[in-house]
Amino acid sequence: KQEVTQIPAALSVPEGENLVLNCSFTDSAIYNLQWFRQDPGKGLTSLLLIQSSQREQTSGRLNASLDKSSGRSTLYIAASQPGDSATYLCAVLEAAGNKLTFGGGTRVLVKP
Amino acid sequence: NAGVMQNPRHLVRRRGQEARLRCSPMKGHSHVYWYRQLPEEGLKFMVYLQKENIIDESGMPKERFSAEFPKEGPSILRIQQVVRGDSAAYFCASSPIGTGPKNIQYFGAGTRLSVL
Repeated sequence: KQEVTQIPAALSVPEGENLVLNCSFTDSAIYNLQWFRQDPGKGLTSLLLIQSSQREQTSGRLNASLDKSSGRSTLYIAASQPGDSATYLCAVLEAAGNKLTFGGGTRVLVKP
Repeated sequence: NAGVMQNPRHLVRRRGQEARLRCSPMKGHSHVYWYRQLPEEGLKFMVYLQKENIIDESGMPKERFSAEFPKEGPSILRIQQVVRGDSAAYFCASSPIGTGPKNIQYFGAGTRLSVL
């Protein structure tokens, strides 16, 4: 059974610092891994999707890496801003290909 | 092209009542997924449906919960005789492809169910 873990559960940094969020999964048989952002009381915003054959994806200040063999992904957010404060979720699409397994999320606070 | 639409956004029910949550997938998507987010927890898969078929309901509680996706109209997640433990955010996602590496799911804004 696939399990996805995100560490740390919460993170507080001053504005301008780089953020490093970690995600690990137990079964490397995945199709892809996705990072989402969730604001309080809101839905999910997809940030980056990495296919299993890829090593990383970049979008603006965001960079996500994937090491499928070790079951790890890292989301880097450069030069953090208060507007980056949110919960970040990672999710893997299992080899059966029809459902996402989510981590518990990392709650990020960027202090001005 | 409108995104995945869920309604209502907020739903309040008393214990023992029924809750009906609706999800209209994106245009052209025939695959729908329901996920539940309990307070302070991550999202957990509940059920995957295609039009008129339940494909995978491995995450659905055995009792009181049912889901459908009729030929016409939205997908419905139905919870009978709600209890306080059903209070959660329920998210729907849709995809143009049901399985495989090109299965990219697009999420709705969710329905927040509160059981009094």
